[in-house]
This record gives sequence, structure tokens and C-alpha cells, in this order.
Amino acid sequence: DIQMTQSPSSLSASVGDRVTITCRASQTISNYLNWYQQKPGKAPKVLIYAASSLQSGVPSRFTGSGSGTDFTLTISSLQPEDFATYYCQQSYSTSWTFGQGTKVEIK
Amino acid sequence: QVQLQESGPRLVKPLQTLSLTCTVSGGSISSGGYYWSWIRQPAGKGLEWIGRIDTSGSTNYNPSLKSRVTISVDTSKNQFSLKLNSVTAADTAVYYCARALYYHESSGRQDWLDPWGQGTLVTVSS
Repeated sequence: DIQMTQSPSSLSASVGDRVTITCRASQTISNYLNWYQQKPGKAPKVLIYAASSLQSGVPSRFTGSGSGTDFTLTISSLQPEDFATYYCQQSYSTSWTFGQGTKVEIK
Repeated sequence: QVQLQESGPRLVKPLQTLSLTCTVSGGSISSGGYYWSWIRQPAGKGLEWIGRIDTSGSTNYNPSLKSRVTISVDTSKNQFSLKLNSVTAADTAVYYCARALYYHESSGRQDWLDPWGQGTLVTVSS
């Protein structure tokens, strides 16, 4: 199994802040890495696929980067609607796995 | 656009079998070569991928659940299903179904989960 580890597990930030979330894979996964946003009581929604490709309809303040084992999701200017939990997910192996999540809270 | 909806019993007794169905609307489950997945989330916890199936019936499962899980597809009903045997309280969770969008690149196939169903809470309790 490929383990995905996100950091931090939670963070507090203000509207307008630049926020960075990292995700590390237990082995190399090339660019087979996706990012999802989940709001309370709702299903997750994909933001970024293939490490850096922005899903249609997702604001450009979300960017993804990385390759191999280390990946980053950046929100360039945090908006009120961005307070949520974010998950990375690898699709490199035939058994997909998620990171444990990063909760972004209001400071 | 394609929409997914989970259905099935909300309460399952310990040691029995959890059975859920995902109905796909707005498109044919047979077209497009997609993977169709199940994911679960215990209350207050993270997402756990359960497994996937393609429309030829080929499956892949989470190794930690593999001995108890079966995913199947019924193309005539535009549905795919999840069965989880010998459930315990630890299997209480919101269960989601999802389609995996994809594209092929030189190094392989990229997949990502979109869209998702709204999720259904299944409680294991006597």
C-alpha cells in the first residue's frame, strides 16, 4: 500500500492569506496525485488532478505542484468559501489511497 | 451531466452484510471506459477508498478490506453495487460512490474522482 501523509493536519488562517498544504507519498508516484476539497456534510470535490491540472470550474487561486513523493496545494489568497478540509489522493497504484486530510479553519 | 445516487439499508446488524447500490443518471455506465468507485468516511474522520470496478467487471480493492468486499456492476440498470461482509461497528460510515474521470498520457492513465454521490450514512448496530 502507498501511504499518503499530509501536513499540517490543521491550520488557522485569515481571509487573504496564502496557504500551503503538503502531501508526501511513501514511494514515488510520479504525478499521479489529486487534491479534493470537502465541506461539512458534503461530498468531496476535485480541485486538482495529475498534480497540477486545475479541474474545470475551480478558481485559479488553487494551484498544485510536485512530482515523485512530494506535492503541494497552494491557495494564493484564501477566501471565505475556502474554509474546508483538503485531501490528497494517489492514483499511481491499483489500490488508491487518500491522505488523512488538512482542515483549514478561520483565524 | 452525470449524477450518482447511493441507496440501500441505513442500518445493518453486526456480522451481517452491508449492501449499497449506486445509480448513475445522465449518462451510460457502459460508455467512456471509466472506473466506478466506492469510498467511505467514518464520522469525523478521513476518506477511505474501498475499491473500483470497470464495465468489464474488473475490480481492485483496498487490501485492508479485500477479504470482505465485493463490487459488481449491472450495466442493464446503469448501476454498480457494494457488498461488505461481516460488518462491525467500525464499518459505520458515510459511504460515497464516485466515477473516475481519466486521460491517457505517455506514462500511463491518470484517474481522478468526479463526480461523487451525495453519500449515505450506514450504521452498524444491533
